[in-house]
Amino acid sequence: QSVLTQPPSVSGAPGQRVTISCTGSSSNIGAGYDVHWYQQLPGTAPKLLIYGNNNRPSGVPDRFSGSKSGTSASLAITGLQAEDEADYYCQSYDSSLSGSGVFGGGTKLTVL
Amino acid sequence: DVQLVETGGGLIQPGGSLRLSCAASGFTVSSNYMSWVRQAPGKGLEWVSVIYSGGSTYYADSVKGRFTISRDNSKNTLYLQMNSLRAEDTAVYYCARVSLWFREYYLDYWGQGTLVTVSS
Repeated sequence: QSVLTQPPSVSGAPGQRVTISCTGSSSNIGAGYDVHWYQQLPGTAPKLLIYGNNNRPSGVPDRFSGSKSGTSASLAITGLQAEDEADYYCQSYDSSLSGSGVFGGGTKLTVL
Repeated sequence: DVQLVETGGGLIQPGGSLRLSCAASGFTVSSNYMSWVRQAPGKGLEWVSVIYSGGSTYYADSVKGRFTISRDNSKNTLYLQMNSLRAEDTAVYYCARVSLWFREYYLDYWGQGTLVTVSS
């Protein structure tokens, strides 16, 4: 059971917009800790996608955006493309678990 | 360019030991927080261990007392010594650089991972 809760799967057609939620609690997202997102393409290592709720590292398309409100965060992908099919993980920090970040369980995005 | 290359994975019997290495280039390991994250087959990511630039360490409860994170500054390399291995330690182990962000941190660069299989 992950500290941060994500839907196991989401799907969308090419060109559509999809969102992936990440729900936490008062000891992590609700405590003001920010949320970061990673993309893991099939058979590869995770890659940083969004940091600090809504910041994109260099090279990440602006089709990817993040937001945070209360005890939850969301990753939005617009103009869905076939190459976006991957697993997506949110990550934050939890004050009840000293010294560590925490991950969501991951969401499999399928492009129909 | 930042690069992380893990080595040392393989097949090991339960109760055995293994040391993973992560050779870094493009930055100085000792000046950064560094981390090990693992992913069991078909499962999600699990934070295993962190070493701070000052040398303090953190371990997940699942590996505390069995795993040790360390670094060799002269070789710019991060290590994970894994003892008393169990079947549930079977996973791909990733080395990652930690980037500090206000009160917390995230992982900005990842290695390609090395597979550890614990089985008799």
